[in-house]
Amino acid sequence: GNSVTQMEGPVTLSEEAFLTINCTYTATGYPSLFWYVQYPGEGLQLLLKATKADDKGSNKGFEATYRKETTSFHLEKGSVQVSDSAVYFCALGGNTGNQFYFGTGTSLTVIP
Amino acid sequence: DAGITQSPRHKVTETGTPVTLRCHQTENHRYMYWYRQDPGHGLRLIHYSYGVKDTDKGEVSDGYSVSRSKTEDFLLTLESATSSQTSVYFCAISDSGGAGDTQYFGPGTRLTVL
Repeated sequence: GNSVTQMEGPVTLSEEAFLTINCTYTATGYPSLFWYVQYPGEGLQLLLKATKADDKGSNKGFEATYRKETTSFHLEKGSVQVSDSAVYFCALGGNTGNQFYFGTGTSLTVIP
Repeated sequence: DAGITQSPRHKVTETGTPVTLRCHQTENHRYMYWYRQDPGHGLRLIHYSYGVKDTDKGEVSDGYSVSRSKTEDFLLTLESATSSQTSVYFCAISDSGGAGDTQYFGPGTRLTVL
């Protein structure tokens, strides 16, 4: 079956620190991979995505590479800001009806 | 931002009462989804729709039913609410339902069942 395992949080970093949030997946077929971000009291917003192996998704300084050999899609950012404080979800999609499977979410707090 | 609204945004109800949540989209997207979000579980799919009157079950469909009589509206019904259905419910839409198609999420409905 399909599943996503995501790094447990919460994560607390100082401003300008390097961020990595690990995400690994189990899937049949050829899924697409996504990172979503959720700010307090809001819905999920797409941060980036990759649709095939070795693709790199990037947006707002965040990036993630679809690694089929390690079944991973780790999220990275070189220098986090206070405004990056949010919950980040890794997701897998692509089966019938494009059903998505989400990780449990990682809460990030960036302190000045 | 995708045009997705959910109503109500907050609801408190009692065990055993029926509850209907509404998702409305202005994007004319074919696929619509209902998820619930719970601590430690992320988001889990309840039901989804791939067209008017066409629906299918997701991972956690027990105790829920859905209906879609128009492209723009997708209703989620709890026939007899239980405390275990206290959660935040999100609606999502996607255009084609194909692999790689992004899902866009609504703002959520916080439901409390006492």
